Amino acid sequence: QVQLQESGSGLVKPSQTLSLTCAVSGGSISSGGYSWGWIRQPPGKGLEWIGYTYHSGTSFYNPSLKSRVIISLVRPKNQVSLNLSSVTAADTAVYYCVRGADWYRFDSWGQGILAMVSS
Amino acid sequence: QSVLTQPPSASGTSGQRVTISCSGSSSNIGIYTVNWYHQLPGTAPKLLMYANNRRPSGVPDRFSASKSGTSASLAISGLQSEDEADYYCSTWDDSLNGMVFGGGTKLTVL
Repeated sequence: QVQLQESGSGLVKPSQTLSLTCAVSGGSISSGGYSWGWIRQPPGKGLEWIGYTYHSGTSFYNPSLKSRVIISLVRPKNQVSLNLSSVTAADTAVYYCVRGADWYRFDSWGQGILAMVSS
Repeated sequence: QSVLTQPPSASGTSGQRVTISCSGSSSNIGIYTVNWYHQLPGTAPKLLMYANNRRPSGVPDRFSASKSGTSASLAISGLQSEDEADYYCSTWDDSLNGMVFGGGTKLTVL
């Protein structure tokens, strides 16, 4: 069973870049048929899809975040990375790493990491 | 404002059957299958139902789901206290060219 574990900067200053990493175990990010991405949840609010990428290099991003987001696969380390630039307080959220499978489902989730944007 | 519309809350007593609706449009639910997630307090969401009405391994058959036109629904029968959680519907949207979620429904077991 694949497991996902997020890590990274828990506190980011406004206008800076939020960088998170997701370590994948129990499966390879290079295996076909799956996408790897991120979903976030502001405190007390619902889920917001950020985007995902395939091992082929094809990526899909939330249009509202597309200009600020890059999701990459770090193959040697079997990790998924998220970079969100020019952050504001509105980007404060719990960020979940997810594996996407067929039928547009997210079948594996990390435990989540809280990232706060504050000066 | 979420692309998919869910009631913010739902409730039922132990043993009852409750349903949660998810309303979309012709660019999302109307043409794509719907998935459901539940999120227990303080934990990460977990896949509950997928492809409109399929249960992942380990999900009890008390949970069922369906889709009709541009709407979908999740049903929980034999309600239990451990079902108290937030429930989210999700699918792909062609107009946005991305994944969309409902705003979530908080289920309370009275």
